[in-house]
Amino acid sequence: DGGITQSPKYLFRKEGQNVTLSCEQNLNHDAMYWYRQDPGQGLRLIYYSQIVNDFQKGDIAEGYSVSREKKESFPLTVTSAQKNPTAFYLCASSKNRHDSLRDTQYFGPGTRLTVL
Amino acid sequence: KQEVTQIPAALSVPEGENLVLNCSFTDSAIYNLQWFRQDPGKGLTSLLLIQSSQREQTSGRLNASLDKSSGRSTLYIAASQPGDSATYLCAVVGGTSYGKLTFGQGTILTVHP
Repeated sequence: DGGITQSPKYLFRKEGQNVTLSCEQNLNHDAMYWYRQDPGQGLRLIYYSQIVNDFQKGDIAEGYSVSREKKESFPLTVTSAQKNPTAFYLCASSKNRHDSLRDTQYFGPGTRLTVL
Repeated sequence: KQEVTQIPAALSVPEGENLVLNCSFTDSAIYNLQWFRQDPGKGLTSLLLIQSSQREQTSGRLNASLDKSSGRSTLYIAASQPGDSATYLCAVVGGTSYGKLTFGQGTILTVHP
C-alpha cells in the first residue's frame, strides 16, 4: 500500500527538550510539507521541500527545523525555542515539484505533541 | 495576504438531508481549491480538487463549485448519512511558487440518525 506514515502517533515533551517527528512516504512524491493544527483553527504551513537537500520556511517556521536527505523522508524537529509546541502536526506530500501548484496534497495520520 | 473563511462553523442535520457548506477567500488569484475531510484525531482526506479554470467537480454524492471572481466555493452533500459526520476543510493554492495551501477553520458536520 502506498501512503504517508507519521510516527509516533502521540509524543510528550518536557520543557527544554528537542523532539523529532518522523514522516515517510512511499508515493515517490517530490514535494513534502509540514503543517501545524491548533484546536478550532485551520492548518498552518511550517516548512516545505520540493526536492532532496532543499527546503523552505513556511509561515510559522520559528522554533522548528527540518532535513530532506532522502526523497521519502522529511523529519521535523521541534526545538526548545518553540514556545507553544502543543499541537497536532500533519505531514503531506504532492507528486511533482513542477506541478505542485496543481497537484492534490496527500496527508499522513498526524502526530499529537503535548508539552508536559 | 490570502484569508479563507468557512461558514457555518458547525452544522447538525438529520440523516437524508441535502446540505451546503460554504467557503470564501479574499484573493481571487488562486491556482486551485481543495475540499478535505478530517475525522477526529486523524489526518486529512482529499475529497475534491477544482482547478482555477474549472467551475465544478463531482464525486459520488459530493459536488463542489468554484466562483473565482467572487471568491467563493460551495460543497454540496446529497442525501447525508451519519458516516458523513466529520470536519470539512476548504483550502486554496494562491499565487506563489510552491503548493502552499491556505486553510479555512473548517465546518464541523454532524449527521444524526
